Amino acid sequence: SAVISQKPSRDICQRGTSLTIQCQVDSQVTMMFWYRQQPGQSLTLIATANQGSEATYESGFVIDKFPISRPNLTFSTLTVSNMSPEDSSIYLCSVGPKGQGPDEQFFGPGTRLTVL
Amino acid sequence: QKEVEQNSGPLSVPEGAIASLNCTYSDRGSQSFFWYRQYSGKSPELIMFIYSNGDKEDGRFTAQLNKASQYVSLLIRDSQPSDSATYLCAVPTYSGAGSYQLTFGKGTKLSVIP
Repeated sequence: SAVISQKPSRDICQRGTSLTIQCQVDSQVTMMFWYRQQPGQSLTLIATANQGSEATYESGFVIDKFPISRPNLTFSTLTVSNMSPEDSSIYLCSVGPKGQGPDEQFFGPGTRLTVL
Repeated sequence: QKEVEQNSGPLSVPEGAIASLNCTYSDRGSQSFFWYRQYSGKSPELIMFIYSNGDKEDGRFTAQLNKASQYVSLLIRDSQPSDSATYLCAVPTYSGAGSYQLTFGKGTKLSVIP
């Protein structure tokens, strides 16, 4: 597997501000992903972070709201911009493949965001 | 639209019993299937993956795959209170050039009663 860290682990933010979440992996990985998990819900993919190019966003998510960077094969950031209470959620990064199979993913510990 | 369906539960089983978690998927081309365990307040943890029809056993966990029926299940033998968690089924889809993403089911919440 892989050792994945996220910063911050949690934050409380004011409406209209932005927060940047960092994801660091202990070794190079091909794929990095960002998910959102709202309370009591399953995981929703926000985007795939592509190294050296623009991220690939899923339907319902746009770059202006969730800009993503991936400057190298071990690091990515997700920014939640102009936040509203509806953005309160857990944000998770995942990486893969990093094991026996070609397409598994391993998750970081998550960032719990509360927007007031 | 690729879909992954799970019973949301909650599923309650007594300690020592077998817990059976089920998942169906819509994409007949899917080749890999994953089970993740998520404790409350924690991130998902990969516990099982299966690629071939039939059974795959790992300790108290057995994954079963039936591609003809588009059905994958997870059996937990000798269930323990520490198995109480939400179990997520995930299926990858591919977009070329080695790129893929996982579609997750909504998860089944399992409670093991001492």
